[in-house]
Amino acid sequence: GENVEQHPSTLSVQEGDSAVIKCTYSDSASNYFPWYKQELGKRPQLIIDIRSNVGEKKDQRIAVTLNKTAKHFSLHITETQPEDSAVYFCAASWGNNNDMRFGAGTRLTVKP
Amino acid sequence: GAVVSQHPSWVICKSGTSVKIECRSLDFQATTMFWYRQFPKQSLMLMATSNEGSKATYEQGVEKDKFLINHASLTLSTLTVTSAHPEDSSFYICSASQPRNTGELFFGEGSRLTVL
Repeated sequence: GENVEQHPSTLSVQEGDSAVIKCTYSDSASNYFPWYKQELGKRPQLIIDIRSNVGEKKDQRIAVTLNKTAKHFSLHITETQPEDSAVYFCAASWGNNNDMRFGAGTRLTVKP
Repeated sequence: GAVVSQHPSWVICKSGTSVKIECRSLDFQATTMFWYRQFPKQSLMLMATSNEGSKATYEQGVEKDKFLINHASLTLSTLTVTSAHPEDSSFYICSASQPRNTGELFFGEGSRLTVL
């Protein structure tokens, strides 16, 4: 089955700096790669996603890149703000059943 | 966007009792729902895939007799933790996908279970 690995587990940056979180996946059949932000005790919120037919996608301060050959994808947050502090999860899924597997998560702390 | 509601948001029960958690898709029909468990500071671990009108598919290591899943309608799936024990204390989250199958999952608010 699919295995998603995520690094780093914790990341601390200064406000205004950029943050990068990286994930790898094992199943070449995976075709959908979302990123979720989860605040303590709350549900995961989709912040950006990318499909296997696209190499890069950007939404304001957030961007995701996908390298299908290497089977890795990354989340980039620019001009970080304290409210970006949360746990971020990458995920990968494939097929028609939306069977989604999550990375271990990255706890991002943005220091003011 | 699609809305998934989960109830209760938190529950405290005594060891040995059973607890039922409901997951509802409010504005769409969900043929498939997913149940996850999340321990503190850990990731979401898929427990089972709930299919409307058929038996759930459980992940390896998840006891199907302990975690009963019922998907009786296209908008409701329930997870019953039977004979709960303190080690079952966790954050349980459901998710659902829309019929057009874009891949995106919509999550419920989560249910925090504490077993005394």
